[in-house]
Amino acid sequence: TQLLEQSPQFLSIQEGENLTVYCNSSSVFSSLQWYRQEPGEGPVLLVTVVTGGEVKKLKRLTFQFGDARKDSSLHITAAQPGDTGLYLCAGANSNYQLIWGAGTKLIIKP
Amino acid sequence: DSGVTQTPKHLITATGQRVTLRCSPRSGDLSVYWYQQSLDQGLQFLIQYYNGEERAKGNILERFSAQQFPDLHSELNLSSLELGDSALYFCASRRTGGDTQYFGPGTRLTVL
Repeated sequence: TQLLEQSPQFLSIQEGENLTVYCNSSSVFSSLQWYRQEPGEGPVLLVTVVTGGEVKKLKRLTFQFGDARKDSSLHITAAQPGDTGLYLCAGANSNYQLIWGAGTKLIIKP
Repeated sequence: DSGVTQTPKHLITATGQRVTLRCSPRSGDLSVYWYQQSLDQGLQFLIQYYNGEERAKGNILERFSAQQFPDLHSELNLSSLELGDSALYFCASRRTGGDTQYFGPGTRLTVL
């Protein structure tokens, strides 16, 4: 059974601080996706990483895919209250099934 | 806007009842996925359809069923509802050959 462990589950920090969210697995994924979800809405895709070692930047968000394509991280620099939300990682296997992490609930306090 | 539509947005019903949730995928997407999300929890995969056929099953209860129609829209049927079935239900669609799933806005089901 493929599992994707996401940590931390909950993070509450002050505006301006940096943070990192991790997703780890013993399985290899063909790609890994990061989604952000706001209360009462559907998850919205932030980024897809495909190549081992790949780094993608989206303004203050930096996404990295591990060299072995088993893990990924999301780093947010100088967090802002607008970054508040539930962040979900999902790894795609060879059958195009997504294996989901449990999510990180992020609160940025002004 | 993801291009995936779901109706209704909210549904309030009583225990023991049956409801149907509807999803229209993005134009051209053949795969539809259904997920359940309880309060402050991650997504629980329920079931996937591809071009009208069931492709994969997750943690779907026997009281729940789904189908995908020739026009590719999908319906999730929930019967003998219990209080614990109260949750957000999302559908997502995917382009054939792609990894990305695009989510609808969800249906919030409240069972009283």
